[in-house]
Order: sequence, then structure tokens, then C-alpha cells
Amino acid sequence: NAGVTQTPKFRVLKTGQSMTLLCAQDMNHEYMYWYRQDPGMGLRLIHYSVGEGTTAKGEVPDGYNVSRLKKQNFLLGLESAAPSQTSVYFCASRKSGGPDNEQFFGPGTRLTVL
Amino acid sequence: SQQGEEDPQALSIQEGENATMNCSYKTSINNLQWYRQNSGRGLVHLILIRSNEREKHSGRLRVTLDTSKKSSSLLITASRAADTASYFCATAVQRQLTFGSGTQLTVLP
Repeated sequence: NAGVTQTPKFRVLKTGQSMTLLCAQDMNHEYMYWYRQDPGMGLRLIHYSVGEGTTAKGEVPDGYNVSRLKKQNFLLGLESAAPSQTSVYFCASRKSGGPDNEQFFGPGTRLTVL
Repeated sequence: SQQGEEDPQALSIQEGENATMNCSYKTSINNLQWYRQNSGRGLVHLILIRSNEREKHSGRLRVTLDTSKKSSSLLITASRAADTASYFCATAVQRQLTFGSGTQLTVLP
């Protein structure tokens, strides 16, 4: 099993450009999450999904959109990138059920917005 | 805002010594989890302690939880150079995790 994969691994954008980050998991997990990690900080939740066709806002959702058209994929979109969105983005997934299920993380996407 | 705050921010020890990291949080939780992040990599789950538990062990890891003080500690015994990483506590409330800012542990050979 590949677990959680993310594409691309690195990307450089100019201000105002758009892009989509793809997260895929092969563990049949119901829940998927997008986080951002900035230097010296922990992860902050951007958006999450508790099942195919559902999405919800996290702590820092502004400037991002998400879609969960297929259970195994969770897409994060930046419609008009800003330098403040320079960060490392992590996707995670976990089984449904109670809160005691651990999250499994992808390797991250390093995004630079010039 | 960060739910969990970790202390110290950085810790440097010799191989074989024990490492202790602390985490404080603000609200009621379902459980508290610890994750490890090697440089340039994703997070890996280490251990979970439920809100009704006080102590848990897993190999060289020992976690304590004091819900009255809203704090937790992670002890790594007999540290190895390979333990060098960032360690994050994360508090679980329903379907979400909220992460602390992390402790950077360096184990010197």
C-alpha cells in the first residue's frame, strides 16, 4: 500500500496564479484533511472532509477551496495565490468512527508563491 | 490559534539520555496524541492517550496526561541519534486534531 500520496512535491507560483494540490489515499479512509505548516509552527487545519462529496472549513480556510469527488482523493485549490500562502501543505486521512483513530500523513507539498 | 503549546521549543541531549517534552492545552479533549516529524517528511503517529487515562507506555515511549492541569508529557528513554526529529502533541476533539508548535529534539552521538 502506498498510504497517503501528494502531488506535486514542489511548486513555485507567481502571485495571482492558480493551482490544485492532489491528495490520494489507498486505505479506504472516510476522513481526509488538509493542513499547512509554517516555519516554527505546528500544523493548522485548512479544510477537511468526512466522506465523499462532503467538505468543511478548518481553522484557516480563507483563500483555499477543496473538493472530494472520489473517496480516495481530496483536492486543495488555490484560485489566486498570494505570498502568504507560501508554506508546506500536508494531507492526512483516517478511518471514520470515534476520535481515537490516528491520522496518516502524506509527505507534503512545498509551495512558494513569489 | 494553537490549542497545544509545547515546552521546550528545542532540546539537545546525548545519546543514551532521556528526553522529556511537555504539552499544555486549553479546552476539553477526547484524547491527546503525539506525532514525530523527521526533517522534510510528513508526520508519523507515535502514541495516543485517552482523556480517562493517566499514563501509557509504548516501547521506549511513556506518555502522561493530567486533565486537571490540561497538560501532557512525552518521555523518550535511552535516546538514540535516530530519535532526532520534531515532536508534536495534538489534541483530538471530535473529528479534528489541533497541533502544538512542536519540540525539536537533537540527540548527539
